[in-house]
Amino acid sequence: DIQMTQSPSSLSASVGDRVTITCQASQDISNSLNWYQQKPGKAPKFLIYDASNLETGVPSRFSGSGSGTDFTFTISSLQPEDIATYYCQQYDNLPYTFGQGTKLEIK
Amino acid sequence: QVQLQESGPGLVKPSQTLSLTCSVSGGSISSGDYYWGWIRQPPGTGLEWIGYIYSSGSTDYNPSLKSRVTISVDTSRNQFSVRLSSVTAADTAVFYCARFRGYSYGWIDYWGQGTLVTVSS
Repeated sequence: DIQMTQSPSSLSASVGDRVTITCQASQDISNSLNWYQQKPGKAPKFLIYDASNLETGVPSRFSGSGSGTDFTFTISSLQPEDIATYYCQQYDNLPYTFGQGTKLEIK
Repeated sequence: QVQLQESGPGLVKPSQTLSLTCSVSGGSISSGDYYWGWIRQPPGTGLEWIGYIYSSGSTDYNPSLKSRVTISVDTSRNQFSVRLSSVTAADTAVFYCARFRGYSYGWIDYWGQGTLVTVSS
């Protein structure tokens, strides 16, 4: 299985801050990477596909980049409603695997 | 707008079989270009892909669960189901049904609300 490692595991930031989360794959996955947002008690929400493409309806303050083994997820200006746990997921090989999550909190 | 809704027992005894159904509305399972599958999340931890099925019945499973899991589809009812046999406490989790699309059907774009299944005697 491809292992996905996110960092940091948790992050505290202020409203308006630029926030960056990284995700590293245990092998080259090209750009086969998605990002999801999960709020407490809710199902994950699909944000970004193919490492950098925003799903329809997702605010433009969210972005992604990277290819190969190293990927980045960025919120350009943190909003209170962005408080959630964020997960990366690879789909280059079955079984699909997820990172362990990054919990984002407001400072 | 596609909607998915899980249903099934919230409590299962150890060694028994967990069985859940996902009802899809707002779109047909048979419409093509999608796989339909299951993901689980043990309390307080991360996400695990269980497997998925195409409307034709073609399936793929996570090798870690393959010996115990079966996913089936009922296109006439617009539903699909998962069965997990010989459960233990380690199988306690929130189970999500979901739609998969895109390249390699790896984009999970619609999710059910999730249902907690507890394995306990």
